[in-house]
Amino acid sequence: ETGVTQTPRHLVMGMTNKKSLKCEQHLGHNAMYWYKQSAKKPLELMFVYSLEERVENNSVPSRFSPECPNSSHLFLHLHTLQPEDSALYLCASSPGRAIKPYNEQFFGPGTRLTVL
Amino acid sequence: GQNIDQPTEMTATEGAIVQINCTYQTSGFNGLFWYQQHAGEAPTFLSYNVLDGLEEKGRFSSFLSRSKGYSYLLLKELQMKDSASYLCAVNQGGKLIFGQGTELSVKP
Repeated sequence: ETGVTQTPRHLVMGMTNKKSLKCEQHLGHNAMYWYKQSAKKPLELMFVYSLEERVENNSVPSRFSPECPNSSHLFLHLHTLQPEDSALYLCASSPGRAIKPYNEQFFGPGTRLTVL
Repeated sequence: GQNIDQPTEMTATEGAIVQINCTYQTSGFNGLFWYQQHAGEAPTFLSYNVLDGLEEKGRFSSFLSRSKGYSYLLLKELQMKDSASYLCAVNQGGKLIFGQGTELSVKP
């Protein structure tokens, strides 16, 4: 039990669909992150939110749209995705503000996304 | 640019010791993390080094040399449950830059 939950755990969608991934942290943390993990590749940081404000957007295509309504919840809205977007999407949270030297991140179990 | 290298795969025997190396070249450095990730599960924190030297925590130890841009994770008394991917990540001002991970297989 990591204190970070993600739903759904698995998602299959067509290229014309619109779907959303949800992340919730129960740890009282102030920063939340979205990562993409593709097979045989390093985790790629997508977005960072600190105190509900986006502080990092790593050149992610606009077909991925994050939303952070409060410090406990983070969403990733998906539309018109491509098959190469199929991957494991991991959410993480950390205690302090995102830009801080020591910042252990606690990960959720991820959503396995398949785009057909 | 940013470069973090780890071996892709390693195999070891139950009860043995294994060392997983990580070398890095990054534009900033605020410490180095090791995470363990079992297939289909979340990465979980193993260790954090910010100063040179060895940090020991039970069967796991992690070493850092900042001047050499080098770290290793040492796993002793290997168990079958240690079969997992081990991720090295450099902390740059709160952002984690990950290596591709080392897939460790522990054999009986």
